[in-house]
Amino acid sequence: DIQMNQSPSSLSASLGDTITITCHASQNINVWLSWYQQKPGNIPKLLIYKASNLHTGVPSRFSGSGSGTGFTLTISSLQPEDIATYYCQQGQSYPWTFGGGTKLEIK
Amino acid sequence: QVQLQQSGAELVRPGVSVKISCKGSGYTFTDYAMHWVKQSHAKSLEWIGVISTYYGDASYNQKFKGKATMTVDKSSSTAYMELARLTSEDSAIYYCASLAGTGYAMDYWGQGTSVTVSS
Repeated sequence: DIQMNQSPSSLSASLGDTITITCHASQNINVWLSWYQQKPGNIPKLLIYKASNLHTGVPSRFSGSGSGTGFTLTISSLQPEDIATYYCQQGQSYPWTFGGGTKLEIK
Repeated sequence: QVQLQQSGAELVRPGVSVKISCKGSGYTFTDYAMHWVKQSHAKSLEWIGVISTYYGDASYNQKFKGKATMTVDKSSSTAYMELARLTSEDSAIYYCASLAGTGYAMDYWGQGTSVTVSS
């Protein structure tokens, strides 16, 4: 199985900050990497697919980059509604696997 | 609009089975496979498997083989997942999810079905 190592596991930042979450795959997954946002009590919501493609309706302050084994999710100009847990997920091969999540809090 | 409507919460005794449903609407159900994902309390997400909504064949995460069985009923645009011989480790929220938007990632999710295993 492909392991997805996500860091940090938690993050505290101020409104207006730019933050970066990283995800490292245990083997080459090309660009088959998605990012999801899950707010407390809600279902996961797709943010980014194929490493850098912004899903419909997602604010442009979210961006993704990377290929191969290293990927990043960047949130610029942090907003209160960005408080959530973020997950990466590889879709290169079955079984699809998720990172452990990054819990984002506002200082 | 695309919707995945899951069945309601379940409270079950250890050792029994439970069957969860996921009804798709707003798109051609058989165009996209259905994925199932487990989320244990305060934990990350685990991919259980995927079933072709057209052919009915499924691929399972090895961890869930023997535990989960996925089926589909094309006539009602509904996917099912049965969980067998339930233990406390199976207490979780279970989601169905489809790639009906992008075709590349799980962009539509059901609302989740909570399964609680308790005597």
